[in-house]
Amino acid sequence: DTGVSQDPRHKITKRGQNVTFRCDPISEHNRLYWYRQTLGQGPEFLTYFQNEAQLEKSRLLSDRFSAERPKGSFSTLEIQRTEQGDSAMYLCASSLKRGKGDTQYFGPGTRLTVL
Amino acid sequence: SQQGEEDPQALSIQEGENATMNCSYKTSINNLQWYRQNSGRGLVHLILIRSNEREKHSGRLRVTLDTSKKSSSLLITASRAADTASYFCATDPSTSQGGSEKLVFGKGTKLTVNP
Repeated sequence: DTGVSQDPRHKITKRGQNVTFRCDPISEHNRLYWYRQTLGQGPEFLTYFQNEAQLEKSRLLSDRFSAERPKGSFSTLEIQRTEQGDSAMYLCASSLKRGKGDTQYFGPGTRLTVL
Repeated sequence: SQQGEEDPQALSIQEGENATMNCSYKTSINNLQWYRQNSGRGLVHLILIRSNEREKHSGRLRVTLDTSKKSSSLLITASRAADTASYFCATDPSTSQGGSEKLVFGKGTKLTVNP
């Protein structure tokens, strides 16, 4: 257990539905990241926050995706009008920004299946 | 896009043997990190090596980094069945601002340690 929690662990939804995932980082960590991992691949960066500010978004993050981190604590990732191609493991990570390059601690992930 | 490439893609060894996994990457980096992932689970951070370091040890793990060849290796000594997992290298690419904020993962090496 790294101290990063994600909820739910599994989500099955029908195409066209909206889904929302939650991530609770390690409490003193000021940075929070979202990654997506498909079968047989490594994780791919989606977006990250420093405190409550969203500082970078990948091109993978289409208009149907939105992430928030109100008050700089937990974060939510919402996918609207889900498509079968959204099926993946969604991973959250957090870190404490101290210098150049800090260890990112990952949560257990939310596995999304879109039928 | 994925920067790192692990080699081999799959490795099967007997308990007690050593396992060596290699990672190549394309751009300049601040640091390189190795993670382990058990099937369907989140990633566990193993070790971080900075661009000015050449070798690092942690328990049964030994990591080397050759920035001139843009490559790294992970050695697990005296392997155990519990080491069975996928292993990913992740690079923190350097930018003109002095540090990127996302990790770029390879596709991973799937290690099987047979009892």
